[in-house]
Amino acid sequence: EPEVTQTPSHQVTQMGQEVILRCVPISNHLYFYWYRQILGQKVEFLVSFYNNEISEKSEIFDDQFSVERPDGSNFTLKIRSTKLEDSAMYFCASSDWDSDTQYFGPGTRLTVL
Amino acid sequence: AQSVTQLGSHVSVSEGALVLLRCNYSSSVPPYLFWYVQYPNQGLQLLLKYTSAATLVKGINDFEAEFKKSETSFHLTKPSAHMSDAAEYFCAVSGPIKAAGNKLTFGGGTRVLVKP
Repeated sequence: EPEVTQTPSHQVTQMGQEVILRCVPISNHLYFYWYRQILGQKVEFLVSFYNNEISEKSEIFDDQFSVERPDGSNFTLKIRSTKLEDSAMYFCASSDWDSDTQYFGPGTRLTVL
Repeated sequence: AQSVTQLGSHVSVSEGALVLLRCNYSSSVPPYLFWYVQYPNQGLQLLLKYTSAATLVKGINDFEAEFKKSETSFHLTKPSAHMSDAAEYFCAVSGPIKAAGNKLTFGGGTRVLVKP
């Protein structure tokens, strides 16, 4: 069964460093998403992406964040200058063009020291 | 704005007992509703979804949920808990317009502990 994959599974970085989280969505899906879950808190929407453009973003998704689909398979989330409060589990998801169902990857745990 | 409330952050059930997880939503129009499960150290897996067809929705692993518009609820049940059901369960809503590409808004999650 097709699945969303994410790398790395765990990333440790120093405050102020740039990180790139990588995702490979399900191959025929057209909508891509990033969510995050700070330890003990709700899963929160960050951004959705369609047709090589951001279609919606939350208040959390400020200028420090960017997304890109650099090729036909990868979808990345970049955090330019990480802060302690960026420590969280980051989930990538994808959905098909005509479906409301989002399929999630296993997540990347980001730890900012 | 849409929101989801899950009553009870932790639920403890005995193996073989009924599992009932509560979810209430607020939305200006009937939304799409979802239940996801997160097993330890894994991602979110879809259990079931409501998309305006039958109000009683059956999902994987004998879970089901009933959409009640009058109560703005979408509670999740399973008749008989199994040890493997120990996980965290998330209710989510998308919309308000029913369309592909909508973001999901999640509830706070309910962690289920199954006692032997």
